[in-house]
Amino acid sequence: GAVVSQHPSRVICKSGTSVKIECRSLDFQATTMFWYRQFPKQSLMLMATSNEGSKATYEQGVEKDKFLINHASLTLSTLTVTSAHPEDSSFYICSARDRTGATTQYFGPGTRLLVL
Amino acid sequence: RKEVEQDPGPFNVPEGATVAFNCTYSNSASQSFFWYRQDCRKEPKLLMSVYSSGNEDGRFTAQLNRASQYISLLIRDSKLSDSATYLCVVNRGGSSASKIIFGSGTRLSIRP
Repeated sequence: GAVVSQHPSRVICKSGTSVKIECRSLDFQATTMFWYRQFPKQSLMLMATSNEGSKATYEQGVEKDKFLINHASLTLSTLTVTSAHPEDSSFYICSARDRTGATTQYFGPGTRLLVL
Repeated sequence: RKEVEQDPGPFNVPEGATVAFNCTYSNSASQSFFWYRQDCRKEPKLLMSVYSSGNEDGRFTAQLNRASQYISLLIRDSKLSDSATYLCVVNRGGSSASKIIFGSGTRLSIRP
């Protein structure tokens, strides 16, 4: 199956710093990438939909100025958590859909963020 | 009310047992349906798509009832390796703007 990577897999940072998470589709071109957040024992919550070459679409309640998304190429999307706070500590997962527009999403392995 | 609802469990069943999970969705315009499996601290992985006619993949059988907006997953002859959280997933629409909504998951634990 298609492969999606995320980097870093785990990050610990101090409150107030910014953290960038990369999501890459390794063997296909992804026109659309999705960013999810998952708190312990809860389901994945869609944060935003990232389309290559255009602005991301954010879900209600997600601050676009806090969670900056850039999808500059067909294989890379980045999520930057700006001025992170302890409540931003979570499991961030990206997924990608290929150019054919098929509904199957391929998930990255996730990034575990801990803000101290 | 959540758009996709699942019994959170946990289901604790002995190896070899048959176990069934249910899921309901509220958006009648939903177009496609899936079951994902998520192991602890890992990303979700697609288990199987769900079709109106029902479909089977080895020990796993999925059913969809559009009239009742209900999806089910049946696992027969359960194995220890089946222990995981099973996520019911609904795709709202078929366009490029479609969104996938995840249920909160049902935890399954298989005991020896």
